[in-house]
Amino acid sequence: DVKVTQSSRYLVKRTGEKVFLECVQDMDHENMFWYRQDPGLGLRLIYFSYDVKMKEKGDIPEGYSVSREKKERFSLILESASTNQTSMYLCASTAPLVQPQHFGDGTRLSIL
Amino acid sequence: AQSVSQHNHHVILSEAASLELGCNYSYGGTVNLFWYVQYPGQHLQLLLKYFSGDPLVKGIKGFEAEFIKSKFSFNLRKPSVQWSDTAEYFCAVYGSGNTGKLIFGQGTTLQVKP
Repeated sequence: DVKVTQSSRYLVKRTGEKVFLECVQDMDHENMFWYRQDPGLGLRLIYFSYDVKMKEKGDIPEGYSVSREKKERFSLILESASTNQTSMYLCASTAPLVQPQHFGDGTRLSIL
Repeated sequence: AQSVSQHNHHVILSEAASLELGCNYSYGGTVNLFWYVQYPGQHLQLLLKYFSGDPLVKGIKGFEAEFIKSKFSFNLRKPSVQWSDTAEYFCAVYGSGNTGKLIFGQGTTLQVKP
């Protein structure tokens, strides 16, 4: 069974801090994704990566960056956290082509 | 741009009632469709998927969905809900030609009263 592990379930940070969210998958999947989930808005794609060192912007990339140095790990970086980035962040991975995505448990991030 | 619309944002049902959650998508080409469920405190998990073939798709836990191409719809159904079906449900679509991005609807919160 695919396992997608996010480093923290809950995180509290301060405005202006640089925040790292980590995600690791154990199925050698090429594609990895970062979403944020907000009530009434569903899941919105922030960034995705289809290979090591490759990244593409999703629908809401502003204020975020990503890093994929190894195939199994995909990091989301909030360069300078702001209160409007308080949200649930979900990581997902999938094999190439149109396969179902597998999700981690999510990180609930609060920016004070 | 592709989009997915879920019309019901919050649904409240009693146990044993029948369920139908609406999902419409905007893409006109070949589509691959999914329903995901998120139980309280848990990760999103796949309920069912449609890639091709029989437009009536059966998933886990007694759920099914029907792909109606002419209506751009992929509604989720269950004949008799249980309290344990209380969760948030998301419809999602891959369009052919995109880069593997999954487009999600806004989600529907289902509350089942015992």
